[in-house]
Amino acid sequence: SQTIHQWPATLVQPVGSPLSLECTVEGTSNPNLYWYRQAAGRGLQLLFYSVGIGQISSEVPQNLSASRPQDRQFILSSKKLLLSDSGFYLCAWSRGNYGYTFGSGTRLTVV
Amino acid sequence: ILNVEQSPQSLHVQEGDSTNFTCSFPSSNFYALHWYRWETAKSPEALFVMTLNGDEKKKGRISATLNTKEGYSYLYIKGSQPEDSATYLCASLNYGGSQGNLIFGKGTKLSVKP
Repeated sequence: SQTIHQWPATLVQPVGSPLSLECTVEGTSNPNLYWYRQAAGRGLQLLFYSVGIGQISSEVPQNLSASRPQDRQFILSSKKLLLSDSGFYLCAWSRGNYGYTFGSGTRLTVV
Repeated sequence: ILNVEQSPQSLHVQEGDSTNFTCSFPSSNFYALHWYRWETAKSPEALFVMTLNGDEKKKGRISATLNTKEGYSYLYIKGSQPEDSATYLCASLNYGGSQGNLIFGKGTKLSVKP
């Protein structure tokens, strides 16, 4: 069966510090991978998606970047966090026209 | 700009009540409509993926309908139970947006009192 792992679950980071959130998928190959963020009072917003290794598309200009070094690994990064980067980050995968499967999420608080 | 709207924002019902929520989405270049159930401290869980106008799907006491011409979907819960308490998200996938860009609404938060 397919599983998706996302860590850490919570993170408190100072402004200006770097960020690395990791997501891995098991039990499937060549999935589409996504990073979403939910900021306070807002819906889920797509940040990045990837259809293959090394292929990253960005939906909104921001302080974050994403990488896909392996087929089932998706990493969200920042060199210097801003207060506005606080939020709940969700990784997800999909294949074909089925519902997305989400990870358990990371609550990031930038202080 | 593609926008998905959900109403109501929150809903409080008694155990045993039936209820429904609305999702409105862009009808132009429509491809698919997703419903998710998001419990506190858990991941969103896919309920339905619907693509055809007039489609109706059911999972236990939960069902959903789709009108792609007018751009709305209804989610129904029959005989609500406390374990149904969650935020229900809908999301639209339209051609012309970026590939894989599922646009989410802000959700309807359902609380079912025993």
